[in-house]
Amino acid sequence: KAGVTQTPRYLIKTRGQQVTLSCSPISGHRSVSWYQQTPGQGLQFLFEYFSETQRNKGNFPGRFSGRQFSNSRSEMNVSTLELGDSALYLCASSGQGASGYTFGSGTRLTVV
Amino acid sequence: GQQLNQSPQSMFIQEGEDVSMNCTSSSIFNTWLWYKQDPGEGPVLLIALYKAGELTSNGRLTAQFGITRKDSFLNISASIPSDVGIYFCAGLMTTDSWGKLQFGAGTQVVVTP
Repeated sequence: KAGVTQTPRYLIKTRGQQVTLSCSPISGHRSVSWYQQTPGQGLQFLFEYFSETQRNKGNFPGRFSGRQFSNSRSEMNVSTLELGDSALYLCASSGQGASGYTFGSGTRLTVV
Repeated sequence: GQQLNQSPQSMFIQEGEDVSMNCTSSSIFNTWLWYKQDPGEGPVLLIALYKAGELTSNGRLTAQFGITRKDSFLNISASIPSDVGIYFCAGLMTTDSWGKLQFGAGTQVVVTP
């Protein structure tokens, strides 16, 4: 079955702009989580969505937001981009119970 | 953020050697996961452990869920060049909410011929 698909793979934006990233989970998976990964901070949890509802939230400013659609696809949005937002953004999906937790290949965002 | 202690931070080994890394936590977990990440890619799940004391193998990889439920180990036997990458451990209290998965800081493995 298809894995977790993230689009786009690469993105370059300028400071002050906003960006929307997309994640399509594995078919049947209803939980989608987002992470920011940087060399200095490692994997930082952003938020988790389950059945279109935000279930958990990490410690990020309000400029970072997300949503989940009825087909479980998820988007995250970052407004008023800052240079420090440059990172690899990963999403992961999971089904119920012991079905593992699968990451996509990520979106590399560069803010200039 | 990382609340697990993963060690070592990096390893430089020769091809053919065995590799061991571990994660410890002050919290008790019900699930331990081990991932490998190649540059520019997302982490790939290697092994999932769901029971204390469980020992699971995946090819040359072997991982164990510590009986105290506060630690886990990953061993790679007879390393090869493609084992290069960053290995992450992750622990979770309950599979009901994957968003509470906690990650280690990673172990960078470099294999020299």
